[in-house]
Amino acid sequence: DAGVIQSPRHEVTEMGQEVTLRCKPISGHNSLFWYRQTMMRGLELLIYFNNNVPIDDSGMPEDRFSAKMPNASFSTLKIQPSEPRDSAVYFCASSGLGGNLVRNEQFFGPGTRLTVL
Amino acid sequence: GNSVTQMEGPVTLSEEAFLTINCTYTATGYPSLFWYVQYPGEGLQLLLKATKADDKGSNKGFEATYRKETTSFHLEKGSVQVSDSAVYFCALSESIDMRFGAGTRLTVKP
Repeated sequence: DAGVIQSPRHEVTEMGQEVTLRCKPISGHNSLFWYRQTMMRGLELLIYFNNNVPIDDSGMPEDRFSAKMPNASFSTLKIQPSEPRDSAVYFCASSGLGGNLVRNEQFFGPGTRLTVL
Repeated sequence: GNSVTQMEGPVTLSEEAFLTINCTYTATGYPSLFWYVQYPGEGLQLLLKATKADDKGSNKGFEATYRKETTSFHLEKGSVQVSDSAVYFCALSESIDMRFGAGTRLTVKP
């Protein structure tokens, strides 16, 4: 299994530009999570989906951030317009939920390191 | 709400020293508990887990026991190696989402 795939691995952009981060979860997993990691704030959950439906987006910092999951094998996190304070490592993770709501582990992708100049 | 508190780092040890990283949790129900490890430049990966009280998770020489009476899940290793240098996260999950601690950076010196 290829694991969770994220692209790009590194992104450098200028303030005001649109940024789109991509994630392919592990096949068969039905939950997908977007996290942001910075030195100051640590690991923050931004949003998560279950069966392609957004369940909790309370961690999305502001309206400049949006996430979609058009199908079970693909999700995007978009920042428009980007700002220097958005610089961070963004992780996507997926998990498969058992029939009895087993709390399964999350599998993380390698992350996208975003730098906004 | 559910939360996890883990000891602040950084922690610096010499090779072959004993490691303990404390983790306590607050939960309304019966969560599963996890330790994740993050090596430099990588994503988090599961180190071990325990799904019910008194369960012991173990992997790569690391151990943690789910203690309901003290709401704790402390990570231990008897003899650390330089290759164990990483950031360690304690986490809990009662449903779909997971709550992570702030992470503890461990550096092991030769």
